[in-house]
Amino acid sequence: SAVISQKPSRDICQRGTSLTIQCQVDSQVTMMFWYRQQPGQSLTLIATANQGSEATYESGFVIDKFPISRPNLTFSTLTVSNMSPEDSSIYLCSVVLAANYGYTFGSGTRLTVV
Amino acid sequence: GIQVEQSPPDLILQEGANSTLRCNFSDSVNNLQWFHQNPWGQLINLFYIPSGTKQNGRLSATTVATERYSLLYISSSQTTDSGVYFCAVTLAGTASKLTFGTGTRLQVTL
Repeated sequence: SAVISQKPSRDICQRGTSLTIQCQVDSQVTMMFWYRQQPGQSLTLIATANQGSEATYESGFVIDKFPISRPNLTFSTLTVSNMSPEDSSIYLCSVVLAANYGYTFGSGTRLTVV
Repeated sequence: GIQVEQSPPDLILQEGANSTLRCNFSDSVNNLQWFHQNPWGQLINLFYIPSGTKQNGRLSATTVATERYSLLYISSSQTTDSGVYFCAVTLAGTASKLTFGTGTRLQVTL
């Protein structure tokens, strides 16, 4: 299975600032996915990032708030912009490496906004 | 969209006990996975099981796709099994969007 490195693992940020989260995969993948997990909740898909095209956002998520970059087939970033305490969550990236293995997730970024 | 419900929402076990976690989904799926989220937030892939039965040590899973449910069995539970268990599915015939269930929070005590 793939190794997915996600940085930072955690951060405490001031409201109004932005944080960029990086996701690096050790093999080339077509699609990368970004999820949010609010405290005590399940995971929700934010967007799907394809290399060479704009990310596709799910209902309730907008590019201005969560801009995504996908410069190549092994790397993606998610930025959480103009943060408020409501953005305090775990953010995870995910990829599919093989059809019969399913999704693999990075170790997550635990974000606290104060 | 597809609905994924898990039961029970919370479960407390004594070490050594067995348990069954259930996942019901509202539509046909082409992917179903079980994950364990440990207390540090890391999501561990337990099973990729769109149908049939699989076993891995003390854990096993069964998916009956025609009846739209899956079961995760934990035998001889250990304190390290504590955490949240999620099932997640991909709707059949759609692009690769993984939808997560509501989760079962498991606490194993000594």
